[in-house]
Amino acid sequence: AQTVTQSQPEMSVQEAETVTLSCTYDTSESDYYLFWYKQPPSRQMILVIRQEAYKQQNATENRFSVNFQKAAKSFSLKISDSQLGDAAMYFCAYRSKDSGGSNYKLTFGKGTLLTVNP
Amino acid sequence: NAGVTQTPKFRVLKTGQSMTLLCAQDMNHEYMYWYRQDPGMGLRLIHYSVGEGTTAKGEVPDGYNVSRLKKQNFLLGLESAAPSQTSVYFCASSGRLQSSYNEQFFGPGTRLTVL
Repeated sequence: AQTVTQSQPEMSVQEAETVTLSCTYDTSESDYYLFWYKQPPSRQMILVIRQEAYKQQNATENRFSVNFQKAAKSFSLKISDSQLGDAAMYFCAYRSKDSGGSNYKLTFGKGTLLTVNP
Repeated sequence: NAGVTQTPKFRVLKTGQSMTLLCAQDMNHEYMYWYRQDPGMGLRLIHYSVGEGTTAKGEVPDGYNVSRLKKQNFLLGLESAAPSQTSVYFCASSGRLQSSYNEQFFGPGTRLTVL
């Protein structure tokens, strides 16, 4: 079974600076999807960015980018020019592409709580 | 487009009481999911459905039942609530798996407390 590990329970960053959140995963599959979700105090789960494993180019969405290292099974999230509204819990998630298995299911890490200091 | 909605948003139950959480989606999605979120545990899948009339167990199904009588609705039932079921419950939906990424869209959550 796949597992997702977020080794930083909490992180903090100064407004306007850059922060990187770590995520590693364990899988025997060669193709899959990876996601970062943001959960602000409102509780709403918001998709931040996504990456398909066979795509070597790192995904970017405005101030959010990932560093996808497939061999190392690492999928870190970089937030540039941090804003107060970025303060939230961030979850890394994995989805299999295996058509015969659990490709419906998201496996989540335990989350990293990001604080943005003014 | 309301997306995914959940009712109620908050609920307090006594041990042994029963209740049903309702999830509705207006995106014509095939797949629907129920997760629970506990502090330090991330989200864990309770049950899911791959289409109208079908349901299946996830990681933590014990103590819960589900039904999907209509494509747009997915109900989560607690027959005899226990304090261990105190949690925040999220519903999610997604389209066909063949679609790229098959992104899951989440509802706003239901905070349930069992005394």
